[in-house]
Amino acid sequence: DTGVSQDPRHKITKRGQNVTFRCDPISEHNRLYWYRQTLGQGPEFLTYFQNEAQLEKSRLLSDRFSAERPKGSFSTLEIQRTEQGDSAMYLCASSLGDRDVGELFFGEGSRLTVL
Amino acid sequence: AQKVTQAQTEISVVEKEDVTLDCVYETRDTTYYLFWYKQPPSGELVFLIRRNSFDEQNEISGRYSWNFQKSTSSFNFTITASQVVDSAVYFCAPSILTGGGNKLTFGTGTQLKVEL
Repeated sequence: DTGVSQDPRHKITKRGQNVTFRCDPISEHNRLYWYRQTLGQGPEFLTYFQNEAQLEKSRLLSDRFSAERPKGSFSTLEIQRTEQGDSAMYLCASSLGDRDVGELFFGEGSRLTVL
Repeated sequence: AQKVTQAQTEISVVEKEDVTLDCVYETRDTTYYLFWYKQPPSGELVFLIRRNSFDEQNEISGRYSWNFQKSTSSFNFTITASQVVDSAVYFCAPSILTGGGNKLTFGTGTQLKVEL
């Protein structure tokens, strides 16, 4: 399978714990995005990387959230001191291109439940 | 900032019927792109179509067609001869280029149910 893969698919944690999600994009894609989706809503943009550089962060990304893409390949999204409001599906997407606006290819998501 | 309105929360049709999903967007950008994505029960978002703001030509791709009207900021999507496998949530998403990336703004989606 050469699509976008995310791990873990499901995570249940207690409030206050830290969690980390990993995303492996399609290998030749230089752009990587994180989105969050809550029940009944569309995905909301969190952050975007071009290669290893994090170029934009949403206001939704509080100080408890940090994302990295150290070598321009896989990416991690860490949430510290989780709160119940962090419960959501965290989606990763990747795309290829310099100037053209290519479509985003999404992974199956990592579902977080904070108890 | 961009905003998307998908007024139809849920649509139910019988297989083989045609169905049109409505999308109205707001943007201050002069250059933007419009996307439709599908999210089946498995959860993975699947790309369907893309249109840029300079091209208002409407096209057909298989059972899919779209009607883009810049004057009314609408980008409607039609499935012809619907099938049960088309059952999913459909999202309209305008995007802007941001620092070279493609930032999508998703609507709340339209749940399509196709029944036998």
